[in-house]
Amino acid sequence: GQSLEQPSEVTAVEGAIVQINCTYQTSGFYGLSWYQQHDGGAPTFLSYNALDGLEETGRFSSFLSRSDSYGYLLLQELQMKDSASYFCAVQPGGGGNKLTFGTGTQLKVEL
Amino acid sequence: DAGVTQSPTHLIKTRGQHVTLRCSPISGHKSVSWYQQVLGQGPQFIFQYYEKEERGRGNFPDRFSARQFPNYSSELNVNALLLGDSALYLCASSFVDALFFGSGTQLSVL
Repeated sequence: GQSLEQPSEVTAVEGAIVQINCTYQTSGFYGLSWYQQHDGGAPTFLSYNALDGLEETGRFSSFLSRSDSYGYLLLQELQMKDSASYFCAVQPGGGGNKLTFGTGTQLKVEL
Repeated sequence: DAGVTQSPTHLIKTRGQHVTLRCSPISGHKSVSWYQQVLGQGPQFIFQYYEKEERGRGNFPDRFSARQFPNYSSELNVNALLLGDSALYLCASSFVDALFFGSGTQLSVL
């Protein structure tokens, strides 16, 4: 089976940098993804790591270490609009759309 | 370009009833998957369809079924509704390694 743990809530101030961690226990997976979801909205794809290391996409970066069973999402220059839930998700070996999502992190950005 | 569209947006049913949810993927996307999201939790995989064939099924009872049509749109059917089926049902189409989700159908079972 697969399980992914995230902190339930993170609070940061506007303009700061915040890191959302994801630790997982899985028998094997193809890649680690991150999704953002605003209240009442649909999850939106942010980033994907197929290989270990850092992937940068604008203000968002994502990191994966398979040896440590760990990944994180880094958000820079925080804006109020970044207040949302963030989910990590693993894609099983062989690809496909059968993602297993983490427990989710509620990010609150304050002035 | 239109994103993933789902209908209806909200639905209220009573226990024991049947429900059909509909989804149209992004134009050109041939794979559709369905997820259930209970308030405060991450989405949970229900089904994936590709080219009208089931490619994966999550840990859901046989009351849940789905199909994909030649135009790649999809339906999710749930029979004998239970209170615990109340959730946001999300449809997603995929491109490479990213899922693109619709806004979902909020199902309330009374």
